[in-house]
Amino acid sequence: EDKVVQSPLSLVVHEGDTVTLNCSYEVTNFRSLLWYKQEKKAPTFLFMLTSSGIEKKSGRLSSILDKKELFSILNITATQTGDSAVYLCAVENSGYALNFGKGTSLLVTP
Amino acid sequence: KAGVTQTPRYLIKTRGQQVTLSCSPISGHRSVSWYQQTPGQGLQFLFEYFSETQRNKGNFPGRFSGRQFSNSRSEMNVSTLELGDSALYLCASSPGLAGSYNEQFFGPGTRLTVL
Repeated sequence: EDKVVQSPLSLVVHEGDTVTLNCSYEVTNFRSLLWYKQEKKAPTFLFMLTSSGIEKKSGRLSSILDKKELFSILNITATQTGDSAVYLCAVENSGYALNFGKGTSLLVTP
Repeated sequence: KAGVTQTPRYLIKTRGQQVTLSCSPISGHRSVSWYQQTPGQGLQFLFEYFSETQRNKGNFPGRFSGRQFSNSRSEMNVSTLELGDSALYLCASSPGLAGSYNEQFFGPGTRLTVL
């Protein structure tokens, strides 16, 4: 059975800290790994990763995929209170379905 | 470009009733996927449609069904509602092209409460 595991489940940091969120997976017929940010509404797309070792960056956020070890990390540097959200990792299989992890709840305190 | 829209945004029903939710994808996107989000189970895949055909279905009972129209709009139907069906129902759209990497973009969701 396909499985996506995120860690930690929750995290509290101070503004300015750097955080690393983890996502490991076991998925048949892997196609891509996606990261989403969810505040009190629908998930918003952050990154899609398809190849190992290629870092995707957007401002203070970056992510990388390791297809050999079956994991991905999402880094957020110089965190701000606006980064407080649930970060979801999802893996797409060849059946066009996204298999989501339970998410990491990040709280950034002033 | 307008994003994914879902109607209604909120819905309250009683057990045993049925409900129909609607999703309009981003213009040009032909794939619509549906997900159920609950505090206990997180986000779970329901089904995916492309060009009016269901390409994949998640592990949900037959009370959950869907369809897609020629303009790519999709509807999801839940019959004989149960308390456990209370959830946020999200739809996501993507180009859905086979052999390509397709980012899925989510709509705002429909919050269904079953009393």
